[in-house]
Amino acid sequence: DGGITQSPKYLFRKEGQNVTLSCEQNLNHDAMYWYRQDPGQGLRLIYYSQIVNDFQKGDIAEGYSVSREKKESFPLTVTSAQKNPTAFYLCASSTTGTGLNQPQHFGDGTRLSIL
Amino acid sequence: AQRVTQPEKLLSVFKGAPVELKCNYSYSGSPELFWYVQYSRQRLQLLLRHISRESIKGFTADLNKGETSFHLKKPFAQEEDSAMYYCALSFRQGAQKLVFGQGTRLTINP
Repeated sequence: DGGITQSPKYLFRKEGQNVTLSCEQNLNHDAMYWYRQDPGQGLRLIYYSQIVNDFQKGDIAEGYSVSREKKESFPLTVTSAQKNPTAFYLCASSTTGTGLNQPQHFGDGTRLSIL
Repeated sequence: AQRVTQPEKLLSVFKGAPVELKCNYSYSGSPELFWYVQYSRQRLQLLLRHISRESIKGFTADLNKGETSFHLKKPFAQEEDSAMYYCALSFRQGAQKLVFGQGTRLTINP
């Protein structure tokens, strides 16, 4: 069953704690993305990666970090520097190419809350 | 800067009535536009893209470059159309990136 798997579904973080959200895909996609979804604000890009061992900051990267050691995996760490981490986090992947019409495929998301 | 605006946060129509979800974009290049949908308890998924010029689940969307719009339309709404709809603009800034509108929650009343 191909797709994107995010885990855990729900995550709670204590003040001052780093937490890592998992994202795995078996679609053989080169590009992977992390978005943050807040009510009334749509999706905002945190980080993205076009290829293994390379990633770029998105629009709201402060307080987050990522790694891309494997093609299938793109974990997101929410650090203690992120002052407002409570949100719904979505991971996505897509093929790459010269065109702009490759759709992104999304996971089910992780809801992060602060204790 | 690239921007997508969906002016309606909420839209409610009766079953069988026509539906139009508005989307306006701001982009200096040649746009590639998408509509994504999120049904209750399902993941966000692609509904349609303008380059395909297709009708999916009865929905169509026409790119109007003069009005910089990409409104989503369906002539006769069905209850299963109730969902969150996002308009998105694809552009290249190094990699291919998407910028999303704020989303419109569509509710179809019986």
